[in-house]
Amino acid sequence: SYKLTQAPSVSVSPGQTARITCSGDGLSRQFAYWYQQKMPGQAPVLVIYKDTERPSGIPERFSGSTSGTVATLTINGVQAEDEADYYCHSADYSGSYWVFGGGTTLSVL
Amino acid sequence: QVQLQESGPGLLHPSQTLSLICTVSGGPLDAGGNYWNWVRQHPGKGLEWIGFVYKGLSTQYSPSLNSRATISMDASKNQFSLTLTSVTVADTAVYFCARLLTGSPAGMDVWGQGTTVIVSS
Repeated sequence: SYKLTQAPSVSVSPGQTARITCSGDGLSRQFAYWYQQKMPGQAPVLVIYKDTERPSGIPERFSGSTSGTVATLTINGVQAEDEADYYCHSADYSGSYWVFGGGTTLSVL
Repeated sequence: QVQLQESGPGLLHPSQTLSLICTVSGGPLDAGGNYWNWVRQHPGKGLEWIGFVYKGLSTQYSPSLNSRATISMDASKNQFSLTLTSVTVADTAVYFCARLLTGSPAGMDVWGQGTTVIVSS
């Protein structure tokens, strides 16, 4: 079945740029969405939709991009409050069903 | 402002059927472009998409659930539900309901707080 692949963890220092990637064959055709989850079991928050769009209320330091089959969430000027798990979400190539990536834990050292 | 609230039993035995309800307030269930989803998170693991219902007319499910899941909606009660048959300990998880928009903005913009389901003998 379709999978979205994310690195398990990313570490950056405060003020640096964090890049979290998500790869999947369907991303060349389907939009990517990104969610932030501060604690397991807590409701996630949408931070990027349709590859590049930022919902109202999400800081400008969050941005998204997609190139081919890889979507990237970029956080410029990382702050301690950005420490969380980040999940990409998309549909398979034909749009038959949706999947989440395995999640990436962002650590702010 | 749309809000979601999950409800259902917290504890089941293996082989039983799980039934969860998501009550929606602040907006109609049958609005265009609103897909009503269930997502779960196993202890210490990532998010897993279960499926959605749209306007009570169409549904999509994750193939990983092997046809055990059914999602339906009752627009008159502003509720949608998840039924999961033949549960096992592997179905122990926090279950979230969420709205997925397809316009602009898009994505799962509103989530319930989640409800914990434990399957144990």
